[in-house]
Amino acid sequence: KNEVEQSPQNLTAQEGEFITINCSYSVGISALHWLQQHPGGGIVSLFMLSSGKKKHGRLIATINIQEKHSSLHITASHPRDSAVYICAVRSHGGSQGNLIFGKGTKLSVKP
Amino acid sequence: NAGVTQTPKFQVLKTGQSMTLQCAQDMNHNSMYWYRQDPGMGLRLIYYSASEGTTDKGEVPNGYNVSRLNKREFSLRLESAAPSQTSVYFCASRREQDRVNQPQHFGDGTRLSIL
Repeated sequence: KNEVEQSPQNLTAQEGEFITINCSYSVGISALHWLQQHPGGGIVSLFMLSSGKKKHGRLIATINIQEKHSSLHITASHPRDSAVYICAVRSHGGSQGNLIFGKGTKLSVKP
Repeated sequence: NAGVTQTPKFQVLKTGQSMTLQCAQDMNHNSMYWYRQDPGMGLRLIYYSASEGTTDKGEVPNGYNVSRLNKREFSLRLESAAPSQTSVYFCASRREQDRVNQPQHFGDGTRLSIL
């Protein structure tokens, strides 16, 4: 079993829809990251959180430490949100900031 | 600032050839990482360097060597390329700060094909 599981693997939405991507993990963590990888291949960090909720524009990330679960929400989705969204965790005692990555969720937003 | 710069962006090699992937960061970060990304799998750590002069193996180090030339540069070398090393390679860097989580910053990736 992977230490970081994401669902769904693939997601197609219509422009304007509210989107939720889920991430579950099985290890104790010091931080959880959400990353975005565009079709061109580059990876950017969207959020890093260890508790509660963070918001940036139309993106919201939440984490429940007790349930070992995080969600990434996109409100009023747009075709430019089409990308692969990757969840990654830094485990307790993990050396030098090393991350454990999920396999990613491929999001396609249709106009 | 350029952030994390990887070269080359694309490369095709024949089995048995050698090559070095270059990575440089201009953010004065201590830690640097090399990952590979394969279809259907998450990013996997090949090697990392916590500081200039130190390197450590990650999850999939076999077939690779690394050099932390200075604080800015961290190179990945394939001595004898194999088809199984066909992948997209990402370099990343991170600022180390005691008890404060910091994000990793990624380069744009190198697409490597071994024939």
